[in-house]
Amino acid sequence: AQKITQTQPGMFVQEKEAVTLDCTYDTSDPSYGLFWYKQPSSGEMIFLIYQGSYDQQNATEGRYSLNFQKARKSANLVISASQLGDSAMYFCAMRERIQGAQKLVFGQGTRLTINP
Amino acid sequence: EAQVTQNPRYLITVTGKKLTVTCSQNMNHEYMSWYRQDPGLGLRQIYYSMNVEVTDKGDVPEGYKVSRKEKRNFPLILESPSPNQTSLYFCASSLLGQEEPQHFGDGTRLSIL
Repeated sequence: AQKITQTQPGMFVQEKEAVTLDCTYDTSDPSYGLFWYKQPSSGEMIFLIYQGSYDQQNATEGRYSLNFQKARKSANLVISASQLGDSAMYFCAMRERIQGAQKLVFGQGTRLTINP
Repeated sequence: EAQVTQNPRYLITVTGKKLTVTCSQNMNHEYMSWYRQDPGLGLRQIYYSMNVEVTDKGDVPEGYKVSRKEKRNFPLILESPSPNQTSLYFCASSLLGQEEPQHFGDGTRLSIL
């Protein structure tokens, strides 16, 4: 079973609109961390935002916020006022502890295209 | 400058010819990891290391070896590469805390003919 599922292979959004990228996860570990990364066409991986499983508040970083619904096991990324430079692949990832070890699992990614 | 350095950035080679992709970080991070990125599959963890001389398998370790003799270096070894290992490879490092994000290298595009 997929540990991280991103159901939107591609999204097209008009500039200045808000966009939500979906991410659901599966874990039995009560302590875990959720991350979002951006990969522009140049290929580098850029960390955007983090949410811990025990965090009471949704994480925010500038125009990025994370809509964390723990009971539904979802951690959707919200980008407000989208810009052309937001066009990129976006990956959701989970860090979980398994018998003292730490593994990271990534989703398949969503390709976001911002139209002018 | 804090960074993760991978070499080479690009490599085209032939089946069966042993190769090593080097990875070095200058941030004194305990955790280092290798990923491969394939279209439609996202990034998949190959191996990771939580400290010197401690390595563990990720989700797709078959056909790969790693070593962690020094804290800063974590080379990825393909003893007998095959075409299905053609991929984009990323090395990453972080501190051990669960909240710590991975710092990625620029990637190595590997083609096995």
